[in-house]
Amino acid sequence: AQSVAQPEDQVNVAEGNPLTVKCTYSVSGNPYLFWYVQYPNRGLQFLLKYITGDNLVKGSYGFEAEFNKSQTSFHLKKPSALVSDSALYFCAVRFAQGGKLIFGQGTELSVKP
Amino acid sequence: KAGVTQTPRYLIKTRGQQVTLSCSPISGHRSVSWYQQTPGQGLQFLFEYFSETQRNKGNFPGRFSGRQFSNSRSEMNVSTLELGDSALYLCASSLRQGESTEAFFGQGTRLTVV
Repeated sequence: AQSVAQPEDQVNVAEGNPLTVKCTYSVSGNPYLFWYVQYPNRGLQFLLKYITGDNLVKGSYGFEAEFNKSQTSFHLKKPSALVSDSALYFCAVRFAQGGKLIFGQGTELSVKP
Repeated sequence: KAGVTQTPRYLIKTRGQQVTLSCSPISGHRSVSWYQQTPGQGLQFLFEYFSETQRNKGNFPGRFSGRQFSNSRSEMNVSTLELGDSALYLCASSLRQGESTEAFFGQGTRLTVV
């Protein structure tokens, strides 16, 4: 079955430290991977996507993600966390048959001053 | 450029009633998808429309339906509401159909069924 997993419900980071939010996937064929962020009482905001090519993808607000085919992972990273990065982060994969996005369960990121 | 607009933002309905939610996609976007977000089930795909045709459907009962108009605006309808239908309903628009195209989400409609 095709799926996306985010193994951590919550990640706590001190401001200024690097952050990583983990995502692993299970798909047949080539994956098309996305990261979204959700602030309280808001919709999802697109951060970045991996389609093909360079394994390191750069996105909005200083975020980047590393695609690792052998480990079937697509971890979200940022070199220096900000308190304003505190939010709910979702990894998602999209399939060739259409526009359906399969989401992970989400990871709550908390950045403390 | 205006983003995805969902109306209304909040709704309170009684069990057994029906509800219609509206979504206006980003100008020029032709694909509209709907998702249900709940604390227990997370984000689940409801359906996708492209050029007024339903292209994909998620695993939801027939009480959930939708449609897309010629201007790409979309509506979803839930009939015979149940308490479990309480959720944040999110609409997403994409420029075109396709696996590599990112989706842009509206702020959602918070539906509470009492």
